[in-house]
Amino acid sequence: GAGVSQSPSNKVTEKGKDVELRCDPISGHTALYWYRQRLGQGLEFLIYFQGNSAPDKSGLPSDRFSAERTGESVSTLTIQRTQQEDSAVYLCASSLARGGTEAFFGQGTRLTVV
Amino acid sequence: AQRVTQPEKLLSVFKGAPVELKCNYSYSGSPELFWYVQYSRQRLQLLLRHISRESIKGFTADLNKGETSFHLKKPFAQEEDSAMYYCALSGQGGANNLFFGTGTRLTVIP
Repeated sequence: GAGVSQSPSNKVTEKGKDVELRCDPISGHTALYWYRQRLGQGLEFLIYFQGNSAPDKSGLPSDRFSAERTGESVSTLTIQRTQQEDSAVYLCASSLARGGTEAFFGQGTRLTVV
Repeated sequence: AQRVTQPEKLLSVFKGAPVELKCNYSYSGSPELFWYVQYSRQRLQLLLRHISRESIKGFTADLNKGETSFHLKKPFAQEEDSAMYYCALSGQGGANNLFFGTGTRLTVIP
């Protein structure tokens, strides 16, 4: 595709259920980022993948959050036992493996935990 | 540790007035600084980066290493500038993580 694609666009889930969010980066982009954007808040870093290097997981808020990426392709963000405070827009971005390059963002997945 | 601070959560200016969105950073190495913008119902997108020294949509930003600042400026605000603006920081050279400030919502009053 031409840009970063995220699915689903919207997800409503019951408290306690697990959810999986998907991100398809731009082909050739080795760097991939996940962020969380709560209503009225800024971008909160979650996790960063760069090629085959170990991911930077320092932003994951709890052990209920995990993410995987196979090679330089699709990434999935999994939230287990969802809580109401997990409700937010989850943004994915990708970029080339060079400093100063632009990060391209997906449209986000709006997660609502009821 | 890296940190990006945007002290103003909300900023309102009248059309035609100058606008300055503040950004301060802390980083142990040589940073690369960016401004990203999110217009209503659109994706977050790059506005400008300090290494390009460019003016985009009339906006400029100068990296001041002494003050560790990268303020975004425009001499005459337009209504279409109303948006959410994020300052972001990355390490220089190679691929590095990208950290964002908390954002400033700019409203340009007609």
